[in-house]
Amino acid sequence: SQQGEEDPQALSIQEGENATMNCSYKTSINNLQWYRQNSGRGLVHLILIRSNEREKHSGRLRVTLDTSKKSSSLLITASRAADTASYFCATSQGGAGNKLTFGGGTRVLVKP
Amino acid sequence: GAVVSQHPSRVICKSGTSVKIECRSLDFQATTMFWYRQFPKQSLMLMATSNEGSKATYEQGVEKDKFLINHASLTLSTLTVTSAHPEDSSFYICSAKETGGLRSSYEQYFGPGTRLTVT
Repeated sequence: SQQGEEDPQALSIQEGENATMNCSYKTSINNLQWYRQNSGRGLVHLILIRSNEREKHSGRLRVTLDTSKKSSSLLITASRAADTASYFCATSQGGAGNKLTFGGGTRVLVKP
Repeated sequence: GAVVSQHPSRVICKSGTSVKIECRSLDFQATTMFWYRQFPKQSLMLMATSNEGSKATYEQGVEKDKFLINHASLTLSTLTVTSAHPEDSSFYICSAKETGGLRSSYEQYFGPGTRLTVT
């Protein structure tokens, strides 16, 4: 079953602007990950944030996690046309299997 | 590093036939691999967890007799869609977790996907 819901479902911005997308989930988690998927391709891992972390940065990416609200956000700063893709959050409850449960995704279009 | 390949990338088959999709970890060993399916403009849905040397664990609602998974080595898992029907048309993606090694135990590495079209 799908745990996460993402908001918005689609986002259209101009190059140079920031893009923010949110992810909500229902159960307790061990970690939350963000992935990017270009159309018709596999997933690229962007960033992982553990349940005891509140914020993490990687290049132009900033991820926050609020476990009390069961939500996370992904911010892409100074967006580029190459950032056009679908972005998914995925939660894991840990354990030996470490299964991922994906959110619905946000389709981001960055217009040059 | 951490490359996962899938073969074929695209396949078209006739209704009633079976199709095998391979997932390989190219530069690491993977005790555990995962199979997902993704419908157009939708998210990934986990189908099953593939464990090397043992039976796969299927998610609720996934028919194990229809989607046969074999994980015979630490670098290869296969998904066979048996007696395929048009409703099985989808994008199938695998991922792999590295066994031991220096990489994060939480991270899964995804293959590029296989687009299955059943006519």
